[in-house]
Amino acid sequence: KAGVTQTPRYLIKTRGQQVTLSCSPISGHRSVSWYQQTPGQGLQFLFEYFSETQRNKGNFPGRFSGRQFSNSRSEMNVSTLELGDSALYLCASSLDRGGNYGYTFGSGTRLTVV
Amino acid sequence: AQTVTQSQPEMSVQEAETVTLSCTYDTSENNYYLFWYKQPPSRQMILVIRQEAYKQQNATENRFSVNFQKAAKSFSLKISDSQLGDTAMYFCAFMSLSGNTPLVFGKGTRLSVIA
Repeated sequence: KAGVTQTPRYLIKTRGQQVTLSCSPISGHRSVSWYQQTPGQGLQFLFEYFSETQRNKGNFPGRFSGRQFSNSRSEMNVSTLELGDSALYLCASSLDRGGNYGYTFGSGTRLTVV
Repeated sequence: AQTVTQSQPEMSVQEAETVTLSCTYDTSENNYYLFWYKQPPSRQMILVIRQEAYKQQNATENRFSVNFQKAAKSFSLKISDSQLGDTAMYFCAFMSLSGNTPLVFGKGTRLSVIA
């Protein structure tokens, strides 16, 4: 059974650009959550999608957005990149909404903004 | 809002020895899960152990066990017979069972196992 797949693994972007990250959940999992991990702030929740609808959102500016497709794959987009957006972005999938059966994480996308 | 505190930024342990990682949390909830996740250099967050708050019995998974003190809001992880492969960042996490809230993580403890 394939795990959670995040692409790309590494990304370098210039300040002001936009970026799209992709997450393919475990087959059968309908919930996808996104987290930002930085040395200073640790792991912070971005948003959760379930059945193509955003169900929960963290405290991030509107530059951060996401969506989920009918096959449960999810993308997150960051527009007008800032240096502070440099981070590891982790995606986690779950069978149900709320992670009652546990979350499985991907290996993340390392975004560097220069 | 729930908070999770890991007071040990870094720890080291000799191979085959036992080490305990500390975690405290703050919540007014009564029904929740607590987790320990391991993040090796590969970056993938791997679930180590999970504890349901309604269970008084401490969870164990092979060499990993927890000491869950609900009244004290404490949730420590004990690793027995430490192995080099245990070297990683360890995160304590909280999840409420009401309102479909996300995982709340502590800042992590970097554990180094020394040969």
